[in-house]
Amino acid sequence: QKEVEQDPGPLSVPEGAIVSLNCTYSNSAFQYFMWYRQYSRKGPELLMYTYSSGNKEDGRFTAQVDKSSKYISLFIRDSQPSDSATYLCAMSAGGGGQNFVFGPGTRLSVLP
Amino acid sequence: DAGVTQSPTHLIKTRGQHVTLRCSPISGHKSVSWYQQVLGQGPQFIFQYYEKEERGRGNFPDRFSARQFPNYSSELNVNALLLGDSALYLCASSLRVNTGELFFGEGSRLTVL
Repeated sequence: QKEVEQDPGPLSVPEGAIVSLNCTYSNSAFQYFMWYRQYSRKGPELLMYTYSSGNKEDGRFTAQVDKSSKYISLFIRDSQPSDSATYLCAMSAGGGGQNFVFGPGTRLSVLP
Repeated sequence: DAGVTQSPTHLIKTRGQHVTLRCSPISGHKSVSWYQQVLGQGPQFIFQYYEKEERGRGNFPDRFSARQFPNYSSELNVNALLLGDSALYLCASSLRVNTGELFFGEGSRLTVL
């Protein structure tokens, strides 16, 4: 079992749809949870950052963390063609970069 | 303020050669991390430096080395290049070592022939 699992997609949705992206993990020591957006041939961009369990909302984006189920989600409301990118979940147990793990990413296409 | 800057953006090398990649962090950030990203995969951790000291090392061979300078910029060196080293090399800076709130540069795309 990989430490972080994420459906690679591709996921195609019509403009305006609600998008749900998910990751599962196996390491119960993870306590920092991030979502990054990566456009083609660019570096990842930090979208959402959450410590421990709970929800966090920022504009059209909502991140959820359920540590009891080892499951995190990112919801995108009113999706736009500009949201088309690869979305990477990432998790850290603290203590430095060797404890920081990325998922493989989900490729999202929002169709006009 | 400028973000994380990396150079060169693209480079082509042949097997056995050596490469040096450079990174300047966001002003005020003292931690720099290096990642390798192969097409279709998430970034893989290589090194982390904080205040010029190595604070973490990923599962990469000794052909990979790095250092951080007094101005917090950093270099990643790869010796004896292999075809499998072809990837996007990403540099990320952060204020703190522990939390994973990383800010990435655009990357250096290395092709090994």
